[in-house]
Amino acid sequence: AQSVTQLDSHVSVSEGTPVLLRCNYSSSYSPSLFWYVQHPNKGLQLLLKYTSAATLVKGINGFEAEFKKSETSFHLTKPSAHMSDAAEYFCVVSDFGFSGGYNKLIFGAGTRLAVHP
Amino acid sequence: SAVISQKPSRDICQRGTSLTIQCQVDSQVTMMFWYRQQPGQSLTLIATANQGSEATYESGFVIDKFPISRPNLTFSTLTVSNMSPEDSSIYLCSVLGGGGPDTQYFGPGTRLTVL
Repeated sequence: AQSVTQLDSHVSVSEGTPVLLRCNYSSSYSPSLFWYVQHPNKGLQLLLKYTSAATLVKGINGFEAEFKKSETSFHLTKPSAHMSDAAEYFCVVSDFGFSGGYNKLIFGAGTRLAVHP
Repeated sequence: SAVISQKPSRDICQRGTSLTIQCQVDSQVTMMFWYRQQPGQSLTLIATANQGSEATYESGFVIDKFPISRPNLTFSTLTVSNMSPEDSSIYLCSVLGGGGPDTQYFGPGTRLTVL
């Protein structure tokens, strides 16, 4: 079965410094992987998606993630944090082999990013 | 991506009562999903709702507690029945987008507090 582990429950950075949110996955297949962001009192927004094309995936708001099969990792990065990046981030893997025409999403526990001035 | 709205955005309810949450999409979609996010937790899938068929519930969720309707391709409701404080959560609907069989887009959520 597919699973994801977000290695940090909380990450704190200063504005203008790099962001690294870590995610490891477990999958029997070549997985689809996602990062979603949830701002306070808001729904989830899709940041980016990996589907076995380029291993470096660029998303919205300057975020990107690199798929590393040898390390089973899909870490999310941003070169320079902005105050508006403060939010909860979820790493998600798609569970293949699900019947019904869709693949079930498996969510990580989430990483809360704090950005300080 | 689809634009999804939910009503109400938040509510405070008394134990023993029921609340129906609405999810509206701006385009026709085959599959809609309902999730629960308990305080400080990640998302858990409650059920999948296809138009014209019974909802499919995940382990630990039952129809009597969380009845779902899907009358057409743009609308669904989730009812939280006979509520207790343990039902206090954010409830989110999502739809399968055009990016493949696993790309979902989420509504803003309904924040429910049960006293």
